[in-house]
Amino acid sequence: AQKITQTQPGMFVQEKEAVTLDCTYDTSDPSYGLFWYKQPSSGEMIFLIYQGSYDQQNATEGRYSLNFQKARKSANLVISASQLGDSAMYFCAMTVANSKLTFGKGITLSVRP
Amino acid sequence: AAGVIQSPRHLIKEKRETATLKCYPIPRHDTVYWYQQGPGQDPQFLISFYEKMQSDKGSIPDRFSAQQFSDYHSELNMSSLELGDSALYFCASSLNREGTEAFFGQGTRLTVV
Repeated sequence: AQKITQTQPGMFVQEKEAVTLDCTYDTSDPSYGLFWYKQPSSGEMIFLIYQGSYDQQNATEGRYSLNFQKARKSANLVISASQLGDSAMYFCAMTVANSKLTFGKGITLSVRP
Repeated sequence: AAGVIQSPRHLIKEKRETATLKCYPIPRHDTVYWYQQGPGQDPQFLISFYEKMQSDKGSIPDRFSAQQFSDYHSELNMSSLELGDSALYFCASSLNREGTEAFFGQGTRLTVV
């Protein structure tokens, strides 16, 4: 079974600063995918970034980058130059064999002006 | 670009009533997932369909059923509703191919009173 752990209860960051949201995972399958989703207060689930287990380089998408450390089984999300609109709940998730997503408990990020 | 469409966006039902939630996946996506997200919780997988056949089943109560139709839209049928069924219900669609993300609809917020 797969497991995603997000232990940070809530994060605060000053506008324009960078922030790292932690995620660790556990699976015995050598092939898996790691995802980050953003959920603002309106409720929709927005895809941010994807990292495959065999990808050699860390994924980047604009201001989002994924710090993938396979040996530590961690997949931390780094948001650079935080904006007020980044305030939301952030979920780390994984799939194995293109199956369903298993989510972590989520982290609340608040960006201060 | 077309996104996943869910209807209705909001639904209020009384205990013991039935509800039907609809999902229209992104065109050419062959896989549909249903998730339930309780207040303050992470999304929990309910059921998935690949090419109109049920492909996986999660923590879906026996009171719930789902199907995918020939036009690829999916419906989640919920009977004998309980207060605890109040949640945000997401549908997501994807291509059954490694490395592809699941795109989520905006969700249906079900309130059981």
